Amino acid sequence: DIQMTQSPSSLSASVGDRVTITCRASQSISSYLNWYQQKPGKAPKLLIYAASSLQSGVPSRFSGSGSGTDFTLTISSLQPEDFATYYCQQSYSSRTFGHGTKVEIK
Amino acid sequence: EVQLVESGGGLVQPGGSLRLSCAASGFTFSSYWMHWVRQAPGKGLVWVSRINSDGSSTSNADSVKGRFTISRDNAKNTLHLQMNSLRAEDTAVYYCAREDISGWYYFDQWGQGTLVTVSS
Repeated sequence: DIQMTQSPSSLSASVGDRVTITCRASQSISSYLNWYQQKPGKAPKLLIYAASSLQSGVPSRFSGSGSGTDFTLTISSLQPEDFATYYCQQSYSSRTFGHGTKVEIK
Repeated sequence: EVQLVESGGGLVQPGGSLRLSCAASGFTFSSYWMHWVRQAPGKGLVWVSRINSDGSSTSNADSVKGRFTISRDNAKNTLHLQMNSLRAEDTAVYYCAREDISGWYYFDQWGQGTLVTVSS
């Protein structure tokens, strides 16, 4: 089974900060990597698919990069509505989520 | 508008059974693979089960193999998860999710979730 390791598990940031979250796969997954945002009590929401493709309706301050085993989600200028938990997910073999990164207000 | 609405959650004793349903609308249900994903209280997302578009192929996470069965009724646009031999560690919010058909296998639509609590 493919394991997904996200880091950090949590971070504190201020509005306007640039935020980077990393995700590492235990083996190569090509570009089969997706990112989701989840707010408390709500269902996850797709942000990025295929490592770097922005889902329709998602603000352009969100971007994704990487291939193989190492991936990054970047929020270029953190907004108040971005405080949430972010999950990576591989879809190369079965489906596996990372453990999440909670983005909190500094 | 695409909608996925889960139902069937509740309180069940250890060893008991529960059947979850996910009613789909706003899209051609029979064209999409569907999944169940769960989230224990305060924990992360965990993939549980998937079914292909015509129901001929299924796959389950090791933690639920032999206990959970995913199925679908394309005539009624409904996804099911039959959960047997429930354990305390199965306590979670269960989400149904639609998988995109583009070939990149991402979950582009989610239901609101239904809570399953396994406790005596």
